[in-house]
Amino acid sequence: DSGVTQTPKHLITATGQRVTLRCSPRSGDLSVYWYQQSLDQGLQFLIQYYNGEERAKGNILERFSAQQFPDLHSELNLSSLELGDSALYFCASSVLDNMGYTFGSGTRLTVV
Amino acid sequence: AQTVTQSQPEMSVQEAETVTLSCTYDTSENNYYLFWYKQPPSRQMILVIRQEAYKQQNATENRFSVNFQKAAKSFSLKISDSQLGDTAMYFCALGGFQKLVFGTGTRLLVSP
Repeated sequence: DSGVTQTPKHLITATGQRVTLRCSPRSGDLSVYWYQQSLDQGLQFLIQYYNGEERAKGNILERFSAQQFPDLHSELNLSSLELGDSALYFCASSVLDNMGYTFGSGTRLTVV
Repeated sequence: AQTVTQSQPEMSVQEAETVTLSCTYDTSENNYYLFWYKQPPSRQMILVIRQEAYKQQNATENRFSVNFQKAAKSFSLKISDSQLGDTAMYFCALGGFQKLVFGTGTRLLVSP
């Protein structure tokens, strides 16, 4: 157990639907990062939050949004889902940017 | 912009042998950090080793060591005494900019 909790582990939904992925960071970590990993691909950075504030944005689609709550958990909202959104979505947390990130076990999203 | 290149899509090694995975990167920043992550079939992302760019000494973690060549922007990972449990995807990552930038990964297969 890495200390970063992601729910749900698996999600199957239809095109056009909306889903919410949840992440609880490791205790003491203020930064949360979201990454997308498509089949056999590298990890693409989506967005970062630090203590509730958006800090950095990557190649995140307009259909996707995220937020970090006062208790530091974060949610990634994916709407108007398309088949191409099927991927493994990782949440990671860190206390300092230079220490590397601790990753959750990911949410496997399948859009049918 | 920061980029990370892993030019070896797949590598194979026999148990107990040594293997080196290559990684090159590009950044205009002076302060940055480099990481190797392992992703076994379970898909969990596991930090293997980290290196601060301002340190000349190569990092070592048990059987894992790096060869950091700052001028050449090269950051290779050496795995000594390979074990079956080392079978995984290995990702090189560059950090220090509010996000980690990942390479496309090298699939390592350790055979008996």
